[in-house]
Amino acid sequence: DAMVIQNPRYQVTQFGKPVTLSCSQTLNHNVMYWYQQKSSQAPKLLFHYYDKDFNNEADTPDNFQSRRPNTSFCFLDIRSPGLGDAAMYLCATSGAPTSGRSSYEQYFGPGTRLTVT
Amino acid sequence: QKEVEQNSGPLSVPEGAIASLNCTYSDRVSQSFFWYRQYSGKSPELIMSIYSNGDKEDGRFTAQLNKASQYVSLLIRDSQPSDSATYLCAVNIGNQFYFGTGTSLTVIP
Repeated sequence: DAMVIQNPRYQVTQFGKPVTLSCSQTLNHNVMYWYQQKSSQAPKLLFHYYDKDFNNEADTPDNFQSRRPNTSFCFLDIRSPGLGDAAMYLCATSGAPTSGRSSYEQYFGPGTRLTVT
Repeated sequence: QKEVEQNSGPLSVPEGAIASLNCTYSDRVSQSFFWYRQYSGKSPELIMSIYSNGDKEDGRFTAQLNKASQYVSLLIRDSQPSDSATYLCAVNIGNQFYFGTGTSLTVIP
């Protein structure tokens, strides 16, 4: 089945220790997104790639970086995690409208729960 | 500022009843509208998409869109305890998606 995969599902890191979260997709979607979601809040978009074009949200801290080496993979790097970065990190993908679909539709991976100690 | 507003709830309905979830959005340029279901500790799951005014039905779920009123709703018929979750409303403009904070639904057996 076509899907969005995130690894690891749970990540524990120490304050200030860099961490990388990964996402892969078999949907062949050209847009990939990273969201941060904290308890009882809406997903907050950090950045997205349209093909190789990187789009950073204005309020995304510099501490967060991303890489997309190819269509299938995307990485989120947190250079110096703080306690406030503990959250669920959601990767999502979206495909451009096609003859069978009139709009973008966005699909999420299972998420990575990040704990900062 | 593109805003998507939902009542946070919690909304409680008895098993077998109709649950009605509502969402309003601020940007008239919004193109498409989505409902996601999110179980506690899990990621959002797309359950309904609607693009044009009117109703769209899929099994026990009906989405209703009124672009003039900038309003989208989700009806869940014959609610089941397994429907207990947070429901997120989302709108998109191009490849950008904007989410509400979600409505928590509890279906009481």
